[in-house]
Amino acid sequence: EAQVTQNPRYLITVTGKKLTVTCSQNMNHEYMSWYRQDPGLGLRQIYYSMNVEVTDKGDVPEGYKVSRKEKRNFPLILESPSPNQTSLYFCASRLHRLSYEQYFGPGTRLTVT
Amino acid sequence: TQLLEQSPQFLSIQEGENLTVYCNSSSVFSSLQWYRQEPGEGPVLLVTVVTGGEVKKLKRLTFQFGDARKDSSLHITAAQPGDTGLYLCAPTYSGGSNYKLTFGKGTLLTVNP
Repeated sequence: EAQVTQNPRYLITVTGKKLTVTCSQNMNHEYMSWYRQDPGLGLRQIYYSMNVEVTDKGDVPEGYKVSRKEKRNFPLILESPSPNQTSLYFCASRLHRLSYEQYFGPGTRLTVT
Repeated sequence: TQLLEQSPQFLSIQEGENLTVYCNSSSVFSSLQWYRQEPGEGPVLLVTVVTGGEVKKLKRLTFQFGDARKDSSLHITAAQPGDTGLYLCAPTYSGGSNYKLTFGKGTLLTVNP
């Protein structure tokens, strides 16, 4: 089954404790991205990747890092999480930048206390 | 900076009613996608429109792309509780790179039985 998977689905952590949210897709897509979704602010793009070893900032990249060492994986790293990073995070992929359909993962609900 | 607005922000109706939600921008879209996000899940693509004046139908959902390609509407006929969800529009803009994607804040639809 074609899908985007994220782990963990739920995470509660404390300020400053480094964490990684994993994202994997099995569709051989070139393009992957991370979003955060907050009430009243909608979905905002954090980082995106056009292909292996090619990443760039989205609209809200501060406090986040990403890497794309393999085509299928695109982990989101929070080196020193803060409470304002409490949010619902989605990973998404699409075949390439000119393709329309974007597939989303199920989301990771992160709480930073 | 492109302004993207979705209206209404919230909509609560009874089963069987018709409704229309809107997506408007100050800039011309080269294409526009509509997504539906159900509670606890990631957004799922409903349709992509690319031609000014285009109308697409998906069962009881009718999507229209404005002639000037600055606006789009989604009309639902005889709404059902299963239509409940957050409806998001996501345009790509003329002259844009297609790398960074922007989503509207969405219309949260509740269909009561």
